[in-house]
Amino acid sequence: DGGITQSPKYLFRKEGQNVTLSCEQNLNHDAMYWYRQDPGQGLRLIYYSQIVNDFQKGDIAEGYSVSREKKESFPLTVTSAQKNPTAFYLCAMDPGTGELFFGEGSRLTVL
Amino acid sequence: AQKVTQAQTEISVVEKEDVTLDCVYETRDTTYYLFWYKQPPSGELVFLIRRNSFDEQNEISGRYSWNFQKSTSSFNFTITASQVVDSAVYFCALSEGSNSGYALNFGKGTSLLVTP
Repeated sequence: DGGITQSPKYLFRKEGQNVTLSCEQNLNHDAMYWYRQDPGQGLRLIYYSQIVNDFQKGDIAEGYSVSREKKESFPLTVTSAQKNPTAFYLCAMDPGTGELFFGEGSRLTVL
Repeated sequence: AQKVTQAQTEISVVEKEDVTLDCVYETRDTTYYLFWYKQPPSGELVFLIRRNSFDEQNEISGRYSWNFQKSTSSFNFTITASQVVDSAVYFCALSEGSNSGYALNFGKGTSLLVTP
C-alpha cells in the first residue's frame, strides 16, 4: 500500500521534553513538507526538503528541527524551545506534479 | 501578510442548497498554482483541485465547480446540491515558484456544515 505514513497519531508529552514525529513515504518522491495546524487556522509551513540531505526553513521553523538522511523519511523534532508546541502536525509529499498529498497527521499535546 | 484569504470562517446550509466558498489570493508571480483541499473531521487533507495561472477555464467535477478569475484574484469553489458528507473544513492554497520551493500557502479555511 503506497502513500505517506505519520506516527504516532496522538502523542502526549511533558513540557520541556523533545518530541520526534515520524513521516515515511514509499513512493520515492523527492519533496516533503511539514505543516502545523492550530484550531481555526490554516496550515503553516515549518520545514521542507526537496532532496536528500537538504532541507529549508519554512515560515515557523523556530523551535523545530528536521533531518532528511533517507529519501523515504523526513522526521520532525519539536524541541523544548518551541513555546507553544500543542498542535496538529501534518506531513506531505509532492510527487512532482505540484499536488501535495498529506498524511493522516499527528496530534501533539503538551501537558 | 496573508497571501490567501478565505473571508468566510463558517457556513451552514441545509442539504440540497448550493454553496460557494470564496478565496482571494495575492501574488506577484506570473506563474503560480491554486488549490482546494478538503479536511473532514478525521483530519487528513484531501486534494480536490489544482489550477495553474495560465488556465482560467472554469472546471466542473460532479457537484463541484471552480471559478478562477485573475482579474479579481479569486478562485471560488461551489458545491451544488450540498450533502451532509460535504461537511468539512475547506482550504484554499497558493503555490508560487518564488516562495519556499512551491510549498503551499494556505488560507485559514472555511468550515462548512450541511444539515439534513
